[in-house]
This record gives sequence, structure tokens and C-alpha cells, in this order.
Amino acid sequence: SQQGEEDPQALSIQEGENATMNCSYKTSINNLQWYRQNSGRGLVHLILIRSNEREKHSGRLRVTLDTSKKSSSLLITASRAADTASYFCATDEYGNEKLTFGTGTRLTIIP
Amino acid sequence: GAVVSQHPSWVICKSGTSVKIECRSLDFQATTMFWYRQFPKQSLMLMATSNEGSKATYEQGVEKDKFLINHASLTLSTLTVTSAHPEDSSFYICSAARALAGYSYEQYFGPGTRLTVT
Repeated sequence: SQQGEEDPQALSIQEGENATMNCSYKTSINNLQWYRQNSGRGLVHLILIRSNEREKHSGRLRVTLDTSKKSSSLLITASRAADTASYFCATDEYGNEKLTFGTGTRLTIIP
Repeated sequence: GAVVSQHPSWVICKSGTSVKIECRSLDFQATTMFWYRQFPKQSLMLMATSNEGSKATYEQGVEKDKFLINHASLTLSTLTVTSAHPEDSSFYICSAARALAGYSYEQYFGPGTRLTVT
């Protein structure tokens, strides 16, 4: 499968600052999802945005989707030490359950 | 929320032996389950799609005779790594898909199994 790309690969910021991660993908999609993974653990689902949506919020998370540019961004506001993790975007195509994951961004929040 | 379990959470085995990993959806029925492999500091790579009652569909480059998948029921899929070698050491994660409205699916991920082959 063709993986999407995320940038930056790694990001370190001070606690309280905002963190922005970007995801680009290659094919037409039905949905795009963001996941968090703590080191050595499974994935936690954060948010799903459909292809006909442009922006979605969930608590301190804000996701945007630009299907014309085949890209999405995840913004975490007022970051906390507990936000330290790897973040992955994943896309699926219409009628297909398979997810294609991006390369991931390793986020480190410095207390 | 939906819960997916994996067992064991970690396993160490000797080269040449086989290891079975179980994936269970605890509170919903999953017609489709997925198996992923993840190397350190890398993303998840889909290995195969497992459908209840039928043969698994493997991604290109994944040896189906080495990674045996059985989806015996709507809540259980197993991955057996046969004749394991040190290069099979990895983090294996399963997920179970639940249908949403509008031909969408949400995947719920298990906590992963760390396999170390010595």
C-alpha cells in the first residue's frame, strides 16, 4: 500500500504551546482519521473527518481536511506533557475498510 | 467504546518455533479484522485482512504460509507466525472494523503483541 507522509517527523515543543502536524495522502479518500500511539502501546482513535467535511473539533484537537491538496492537519492546543506520543493519520477509500497509515509524527512536550 | 483485546501482550520464542497471537473484539461483532506489523519508530504496515469464514487477503510481500490467519468467529481472529526467525521480531497489532453509517468503518485497535524471536 502507498503510505501517506506526515511532517514533521518529529516535533518538540514547550508545554502550553500549540502543536501542528500535517498529513498528505495519495488517493481519493472517504475518511481520514487521526490516531495517537504511546510508546509500545496500541493506537487510540482521536478523530474522524469525512471527505465532505473541512474542519472538525474535539476538545483541544482541531483537524482540517483539504481534499484538493490531499492533505490534513492536526492541531493540539495548550499542549500537555501527557500529549507526548506518536500521531498517525490514516485514510480509507469509499466502501473499503482498509486503512492506509501515514509515516507518523513523534511529538514531545517539554514540561 | 468498542474494545479489542490481544493475547499475549508479549512473547519470547526460539527461532524455528511457531507463535499464535489472538485478537478478540469484546463487545461487538467484527466481520473484518486486520493485522498490522510495526517496526520500532515506524508506522503500521498492513499485513492482511481477515474476514470471518473465508480466507485472509494478504498484502503484497507478506508470506501467507508464514503468517497464518484464521478468523473462526465474528469476535476472534488469530495470527500464527510459523517457523519464526529473529527478523520476525516486531510489534503486531490487530484491529476490528465496525460499520458506521454511509459506508464508513471505524477500526478499533488492540493493544499490540511484542514478539521477540531469539
